[in-house]
Amino acid sequence: AQKITQTQPGMFVQEKEAVTLDCTYDTSDPSYGLFWYKQPSSGEMIFLIYQGSYDQQNATEGRYSLNFQKARKSANLVISASQLGDSAMYFCAMRRNQAGTALIFGKGTTLSVSS
Amino acid sequence: DVKVTQSSRYLVKRTGEKVFLECVQDMDHENMFWYRQDPGLGLRLIYFSYDVKMKEKGDIPEGYSVSREKKERFSLILESASTNQTSMYLCASSPPPPQVPHFGDGTRLSIL
Repeated sequence: AQKITQTQPGMFVQEKEAVTLDCTYDTSDPSYGLFWYKQPSSGEMIFLIYQGSYDQQNATEGRYSLNFQKARKSANLVISASQLGDSAMYFCAMRRNQAGTALIFGKGTTLSVSS
Repeated sequence: DVKVTQSSRYLVKRTGEKVFLECVQDMDHENMFWYRQDPGLGLRLIYFSYDVKMKEKGDIPEGYSVSREKKERFSLILESASTNQTSMYLCASSPPPPQVPHFGDGTRLSIL
């Protein structure tokens, strides 16, 4: 069965520091896609970054990068130079083998950035 | 930009009421989804639809039904609302993989 595990309920970081949010996954499908979403306190889900299982390079989008280690089945999100506006809940997700193109989500990590 | 619109940001209903949550997308996506989000549990899939009038159960369909009469609209129905259905509800629509699913802003539903 597919599964996403986020083991850090909460993380704390100071402004301008880098932070890594952990995500491990389990799937028997050789082809899969991994996503990170950000959810501010207002509730909307904001797409951050995507990594395909066959992508040769780690995905990057501005200050976000995905540390993809296929053998370890990990897809950690790295945020460089944290900003106060990065304070939010972060979800790692994977496309399901079934259920159309639905995602399966981890339980999330709350990131708090302080000045 | 893709727009997924949920009809209400906040909703308060009473136990036993029939509750409708509406979701509309403007990008002609075939796939639409309803998730429920609870603290410590992440997002869980309630129902999804891959075409008009087509629907499939997700992980937690009990107490819910859905309707998709038009491609752009996907409705979640709480047949007889109960207090344990107090939650955040998120609608999403998706183009074919590997493109990204897009979410609405969510509806915070309270059942009193």
